[in-house]
Amino acid sequence: SQQGEEDPQALSIQEGENATMNCSYKTSINNLQWYRQNSGRGLVHLILIRSNEREKHSGRLRVTLDTSKKSSSLLITASRAADTASYFCATDEGGSTLGRLYFGRGTQLTVWP
Amino acid sequence: GAGVSQSPRYKVAKRGQDVALRCDPISGHVSLFWYQQALGQGPEFLTYFQNEAQLDKSGLPSDRFFAERPEGSVSTLKIQRTQQEDSAVYLCASSRMYSNQPQHFGDGTRLSIL
Repeated sequence: SQQGEEDPQALSIQEGENATMNCSYKTSINNLQWYRQNSGRGLVHLILIRSNEREKHSGRLRVTLDTSKKSSSLLITASRAADTASYFCATDEGGSTLGRLYFGRGTQLTVWP
Repeated sequence: GAGVSQSPRYKVAKRGQDVALRCDPISGHVSLFWYQQALGQGPEFLTYFQNEAQLDKSGLPSDRFFAERPEGSVSTLKIQRTQQEDSAVYLCASSRMYSNQPQHFGDGTRLSIL
């Protein structure tokens, strides 16, 4: 299966600390995306990194991609209570133009005030 | 509208009933996806439309599941003869083009089969 797998499954930190989540996948990709989901809501797109990129930044988010290891990491710096949510990585299929995404089970991040 | 809209937000049905779930994508978005999300899991792909054409329905779990997007805008996911294992959140997402694009998700329909 192409499905990404996030690690850890759950992460609990204090406000102001950094949070790092990892994702591994199995086959070739065109791009990898990270999404956030608050309880009872849909997924919100955070960042997309293409297979030829190694690092990308967006505000307090930093994503890295290592295609040789088929892994990615999401770093949230200076976390806030509002960052509490589930975080999912999603991969597509390398060579496909259909856009179907494969999601992992997610990391549940809790940020304590 | 500003985002993807799904209705109803909650649906309770008795086993054996048929249900229909609606998705209004972002205006002008070419691609539309349906996903199923079980409790504590990530979304699982069901089907994909490019305009009105259903290009991939490989994720539909059985022939009881049917989706359409007749005019390339609004989409309906229909489940016939519902079973308890169909209980899940059904998410709709749209994107501007075919691939390599962020997907914009609605808040989903939570389906409970009694």
